[in-house]
Amino acid sequence: GAGVSQSPSNKVTEKGKDVELRCDPISGHTALYWYRQSLGQGLEFLIYFQGNSAPDKSGLPSDRFSAERTGGSVSTLTIQRTQQEDSAVYLCASSKLAGGLNEQYFGPGTRLTVT
Amino acid sequence: GQSLEQPSEVTAVEGAIVQINCTYQTSGFYGLSWYQQHDGGAPTFLSYNGLDGLEETGRFSSFLSRSDSYGYLLLQELQMKDSASYFCAVRDNGAGNMLTFGGGTRLMVKP
Repeated sequence: GAGVSQSPSNKVTEKGKDVELRCDPISGHTALYWYRQSLGQGLEFLIYFQGNSAPDKSGLPSDRFSAERTGGSVSTLTIQRTQQEDSAVYLCASSKLAGGLNEQYFGPGTRLTVT
Repeated sequence: GQSLEQPSEVTAVEGAIVQINCTYQTSGFYGLSWYQQHDGGAPTFLSYNGLDGLEETGRFSSFLSRSDSYGYLLLQELQMKDSASYFCAVRDNGAGNMLTFGGGTRLMVKP
């Protein structure tokens, strides 16, 4: 079956512009996560959606970042007024079960470059 | 704060055994996972330890000691394709399933 897909794969934007990144999770996965990875670094948690519950936004670095998940499926991460420090790979993941093993399946990421 | 420490780089030869250690300091602990990431690729799940002890999956094994806040990933019979970055990750929130990741260990396997 299809894995997690993300679009676009690459995005170059000018400082100050807004960007939208899209994630299509694996069908049937109730949990969806956004992470950010800077070059050569580990993954930094941003936001987590579980079913119809309110999202956990505790990892969002500033109020310029927001995300929504429509119909319990597709998610969009929006970054307003982008800054150069926002340049990174943005990874989306989904998982089937809450708790326990919680194997997360990652998409290929969106490489964002802010010039 | 939350922190996971792992070596930044490890080099080994084909056929050898390598151990990648991970120590963690987190506000909560609900399991230690390991992920593999090839250059330019997405992280992929390798293993999970919720309880103390050793979990074995083929050539890879993972160990956890909760009393020591320590775990490791053991890779046996190394192959060139094992060259990648390996991340330990802790689920530190009982109410959510997000992971806190270590900085990653870059493994280079040489012939």
